[in-house]
Amino acid sequence: AQKITQTQPGMFVQEKEAVTLDCTYDTSDQSYGLFWYKQPSSGEMIFLIYQGSYDEQNATEGRYSLNFQKARKSANLVISASQLGDSAMYFCAMREGGTSYGKLTFGQGTILTVHP
Amino acid sequence: GAVVSQHPSRVICKSGTSVKIECRSLDFQATTMFWYRQFPKQSLMLMATSNEGSKATYEQGVEKDKFLINHASLTLSTLTVTSAHPEDSSFYICSARDPRDFYEQYFGPGTRLTVT
Repeated sequence: AQKITQTQPGMFVQEKEAVTLDCTYDTSDQSYGLFWYKQPSSGEMIFLIYQGSYDEQNATEGRYSLNFQKARKSANLVISASQLGDSAMYFCAMREGGTSYGKLTFGQGTILTVHP
Repeated sequence: GAVVSQHPSRVICKSGTSVKIECRSLDFQATTMFWYRQFPKQSLMLMATSNEGSKATYEQGVEKDKFLINHASLTLSTLTVTSAHPEDSSFYICSARDPRDFYEQYFGPGTRLTVT
């Protein structure tokens, strides 16, 4: 069963507008972590934001915020004031606790295109 | 943040030969490193978890005799693709966990392997 699901293969947004990238997850662990990464065409993986399962507040990092809805098992990424340089592939990932501690499972990814 | 390097960044090899990819943590000691494989516009798939001084743990479906992983020191893990075939052509990315850092994995820039 897919543990991390990103249902938007591609998203388009106008420069300076906000965009939400969806991510849902499935786990039976109580302790887990959720990550968002950006992968530009160069291929490097850029860490954006992290949300722990016990964190009560939604994580924020500059223009990035994570809309964490634990009961719905969703961890959507919101990018405010989009910039042309935000055009890239975005991955949601989950790290589960227990023996697989540290191992990340990635979603399918969403290609974001920012239009001028 | 911590830095992980990969070498080479690109490699072209002939079918039937072997190629070695190095992953180094430059400013921290990584007891655990991970190797991922990524096809164009697809997600990262974990191949194996590499622990310093012990045998790598391979994910289901990954041929351990074909993808040899050695984590000989706290700063170096190597992936050797043996008897490479064109279907092994892919983007290989390593990541390393900094034990001082609770949640981040640091990714290398990736190696693009082309088998002709």
